[in-house]
Amino acid sequence: DSGVTQTPKHLITATGQRVTLRCSPRSGDLSVYWYQQSLDQGLQFLIQYYNGEERAKGNILERFSAQQFPDLHSELNLSSLELGDSALYFCASSFNPRQRNSPLHFGNGTRLTVT
Amino acid sequence: TQLLEQSPQFLSIQEGENLTVYCNSSSVFSSLQWYRQEPGEGPVLLVTVVTGGEVKKLKRLTFQFGDARKDSSLHITAAQPGDTGLYLCAGRSMNNNAGNMLTFGGGTRLMVKP
Repeated sequence: DSGVTQTPKHLITATGQRVTLRCSPRSGDLSVYWYQQSLDQGLQFLIQYYNGEERAKGNILERFSAQQFPDLHSELNLSSLELGDSALYFCASSFNPRQRNSPLHFGNGTRLTVT
Repeated sequence: TQLLEQSPQFLSIQEGENLTVYCNSSSVFSSLQWYRQEPGEGPVLLVTVVTGGEVKKLKRLTFQFGDARKDSSLHITAAQPGDTGLYLCAGRSMNNNAGNMLTFGGGTRLMVKP
């Protein structure tokens, strides 16, 4: 158990809809990362937050947004959903992004299916 | 954009065989990590290599970081069915402003048949 909790585990929704994915980081970790994993592919970095502030941005679409709250949990909002957004969305956490080799602890992901 | 290419993409072998997975890039990384992911779960860190030429061993797994810090390999000796999974390499940027951001390779899906 990595200590990172993601909800929901599965989500099925229709095109054009909006969903919110939630992540609670490991206790004590200040940084949260969101990754997207399409079928049989590696992980694509979306965005990183550290202590409530955006730290780094990857290939995140404008239809997607995220935030990290004062209690350090994070939410990833996906809107105007398209079929191609179907994927596994992973959240990971680490203690301090300045500790450059600190490991990422991944949750078990949210599987999003857009129909 | 820093890219990491893994090969092979798929590998199916018999229990007891040896195998090597490669992770290559044209970019230099400050460090490289290997993760293993099982179905329905998130990736789990296996090892971090930092120094060019570094070799690390984890039981039957041997990890090597290339001298130029652009590539890495994972060698498994006497593979077992429990080694089945998706193996991912991930590189950390030399850019200090990139924080702890990792760039992942496309993964190697390994199946070890009993």
